[in-house]
Amino acid sequence: NAGVTQTPKFQVLKTGQSMTLQCAQDMNHNSMYWYRQDPGMGLRLIYYSASEGTTDKGEVPNGYNVSRLNKREFSLRLESAAPSQTSVYFCASISQGGEQYFGPGTRLTVT
Amino acid sequence: GQQLNQSPQSMFIQEGEDVSMNCTSSSIFNTWLWYKQEPGEGPVLLIALYKAGELTSNGRLTAQFGITRKDSFLNISASIPSDVGIYFCAGRGRNAGNNRKLIWGLGTSLAVNP
Repeated sequence: NAGVTQTPKFQVLKTGQSMTLQCAQDMNHNSMYWYRQDPGMGLRLIYYSASEGTTDKGEVPNGYNVSRLNKREFSLRLESAAPSQTSVYFCASISQGGEQYFGPGTRLTVT
Repeated sequence: GQQLNQSPQSMFIQEGEDVSMNCTSSSIFNTWLWYKQEPGEGPVLLIALYKAGELTSNGRLTAQFGITRKDSFLNISASIPSDVGIYFCAGRGRNAGNNRKLIWGLGTSLAVNP
């Protein structure tokens, strides 16, 4: 029972490159979220999926797209990376009670 | 976006001391959660609170859901070096709906001197 897994753990991109961050959970939760964490800014919600087949914008969605592939998997895509997207990205899976369980994060640097 | 007021921002204490931190909100919440994040890791849920006045313990950690429903407190007793990390509060208001979105504090960074 791995909980929430994320890949890759680290990534360096050049400006304009694209990439997809993968997230999977094995807790049978309906809701999954993507956050970014920056120094002094706390956790900011990028996109969320309240259930399989639905996605919605969070607080900072610009420059990102998401896909809820199935109940287990929720991916985050950067189509054209920018230095402002340098951050640590966390995926979270949310229980019926609203408790959020986080993955280990992806540390992304855009040069 | 809306954020919680979490204080203190950082603490540097001696091993064995007790620690207190709190979060306040301008609006009423019906859930409070406390997380700990260690370097290079994701936040880990410590304690969840669902009722005003609720007091819940997890080992040396105790958290309370404020009676006004606008604040919450986390206490750590007899701190040890492995308590080092950033502690986050998060809350959810009555109007969060089915998406269960949380409002997050900016964290309290705790350092423990052995």
